[in-house]
Amino acid sequence: RKEVEQDPGPFNVPEGATVAFNCTYSNSASQSFFWYRQDCRKEPKLLMSVYSSGNEDGRFTAQLNRASQYISLLIRDSKLSDSATYLCVVSPFSGGYNKLIFGAGTRLAVHP
Amino acid sequence: NAGVTQTPKFRILKIGQSMTLQCAQDMNHNYMYWYRQDPGMGLKLIYYSVGAGITDKGEVPNGYNVSRSTTEDFPLRLELAAPSQTSVYFCATRSGRTSTDTQYFGPGTRLTVL
Repeated sequence: RKEVEQDPGPFNVPEGATVAFNCTYSNSASQSFFWYRQDCRKEPKLLMSVYSSGNEDGRFTAQLNRASQYISLLIRDSKLSDSATYLCVVSPFSGGYNKLIFGAGTRLAVHP
Repeated sequence: NAGVTQTPKFRILKIGQSMTLQCAQDMNHNYMYWYRQDPGMGLKLIYYSVGAGITDKGEVPNGYNVSRSTTEDFPLRLELAAPSQTSVYFCATRSGRTSTDTQYFGPGTRLTVL
């Protein structure tokens, strides 16, 4: 079983739609959670951290369910510029090493 | 600030050739990482460094070597290139001031081994 699993998609949605991605992780001791965004043929960039109480950044909302070991990302009012691959990232606490475990990503395509 | 820079952007190698992928950062970050990303797969950690003179293996170190003689530079060496090393290689850094601070990635090197 992969340590971090995501539906690869693609999710094809029209502009203005709301879309949600889920991600599951296998290590119950995981401490930190993130969503990264990766544009085609570019490097990953941090989109947002995910906190236990859930958090929002503009049109993006991230939630964490530790009991079920899944993380979600909700994008409201999708824009063409949201088209990218969204990587779910989990970090087990391991001192200063900050090991990141990446999912393979969920591809989002927003069309006019 | 340039952030994290990687050279070259692209490279084609023949089986058995050697090369060094360069990574440099100007953010004075302690931690540096090398990842590889294969198509449709998550990033896999090759090697990492917590400071100058200190390196350690990640998940997939075989076929690679690293050194960290300065804070700024973290080159990745492929000694005998194999087709299985065809991938996109990303270097990343983080400050290390907290256990969860952000990793910043370089633009990547696309390597093909034929």
